[in-house]
Amino acid sequence: AQKITQTQPGMFVQEKEAVTLDCTYDTSDPSYGLFWYKQPSSGEMIFLIYQGSYDQQNATEGRYSLNFQKARKSANLVISASQLGDSAMYFCAMREGGGGSNYKLTFGKGTLLTVNP
Amino acid sequence: KAGVTQTPRYLIKTRGQQVTLSCSPISGHRSVSWYQQTPGQGLQFLFEYFSETQRNKGNFPGRFSGRQFSNSRSEMNVSTLELGDSALYLCASGAEGYEQYFGPGTRLTVT
Repeated sequence: AQKITQTQPGMFVQEKEAVTLDCTYDTSDPSYGLFWYKQPSSGEMIFLIYQGSYDQQNATEGRYSLNFQKARKSANLVISASQLGDSAMYFCAMREGGGGSNYKLTFGKGTLLTVNP
Repeated sequence: KAGVTQTPRYLIKTRGQQVTLSCSPISGHRSVSWYQQTPGQGLQFLFEYFSETQRNKGNFPGRFSGRQFSNSRSEMNVSTLELGDSALYLCASGAEGYEQYFGPGTRLTVT
């Protein structure tokens, strides 16, 4: 079974609108972390936001927020006020176990976001 | 603070050759992980080194190996290159806690 599922291969959004990118995950480990990365066409993976499994509140970083629904095993990324520069591939990833002992990330297949002017 | 650096950025090799890629993590970070990204398989974990010890290993053949030096710089080696090894190789640098930061990647083409 896939550990990280991103069901939207591609998404389109108008500039200045908000967009939600879906991510569901599967793990039996009670301790885990969820990440979102942005990968522009240049190839570099840019860290956006992190949510720990024990975090009570949804993570936010500027225009990025993570809608964490633990019971549904969902960790959707919300980008508010989209900008043309947000056009890129977005990856959801998970790290299982405590952060001090395991840095292995499992990635989803990604969602290609296109922001239209 | 300087980011993660990877060298070389681009590489063209012939099938059967070997290649060594280098990754310098962010200063103070002791963990370096390597990933292979291909259009077909997506992003796959290769291995992780922490304080010169391999701590995790992905499901790759023994042709893929790595090491980490005392200054935390890491190298990845691929021997007997195959066409399917053509990929973007990314390394990630991590400290205590959760954040991992990726380098710009090395794009390897095997002909």
